[in-house]
Amino acid sequence: EDKVVQSPLSLVVHEGDTVTLNCSYEVTNFRSLLWYKQEKKAPTFLFMLTSSGIEKKSGRLSSILDKKELFSILNITATQTGDSAVYLCAVGGSSGSARQLTFGSGTQLTVLP
Amino acid sequence: EAGVTQSPTHLIKTRGQQATLRCSPISGHTSVYWYQQALGLGLQFLLWYDEGEERNRGNFPPRFSGRQFPNYSSELNVNALELEDSALYLCASSGEGVLHYGYTFGSGTRLTVV
Repeated sequence: EDKVVQSPLSLVVHEGDTVTLNCSYEVTNFRSLLWYKQEKKAPTFLFMLTSSGIEKKSGRLSSILDKKELFSILNITATQTGDSAVYLCAVGGSSGSARQLTFGSGTQLTVLP
Repeated sequence: EAGVTQSPTHLIKTRGQQATLRCSPISGHTSVYWYQQALGLGLQFLLWYDEGEERNRGNFPPRFSGRQFPNYSSELNVNALELEDSALYLCASSGEGVLHYGYTFGSGTRLTVV
């Protein structure tokens, strides 16, 4: 059975801290790993990673994939209260289809002022 | 460009009733995915429709069903509602660029079963 595991489940930090969110996976036919941010309802797309060792960056957020060890990390530097959200990791390629995503349970990040 | 739209935003039903949730994908997207997100849990895959056909379903009982219409919009039906069906139901759509851009999600339907 395909599995995506995120850690920690929740994290509370203060503004300015740096955080690292983890995602490990086991899927039958890996094609891609995606990170989403969910603030209230609709998850919004952050990154897609397909190649090992290549960092994707967007402002204070960055992510990297290790296909050998089957994990990815999402880093957020100089956190702000607006970064408070659930961060979801998803993997494409489960159940024999690259187009179907399997999601982890998410990491609830709370950034205190 | 309009995003993925879901209706209704909120739905309150009594145990044993039926619920119908609707989703309109982004124009040009042919795939629609349904996910259930119970409180404090991650997204659980329900159903995937593409070009009017059901491509895959998750580990949910048969009382969860749906369909996709010729205009690619979709309906999720939940029969014989149970209290544990209370959750946020998210619809997402994708097109040919799914391997590069992933899904686009709607804002969800909050279903409460009392």
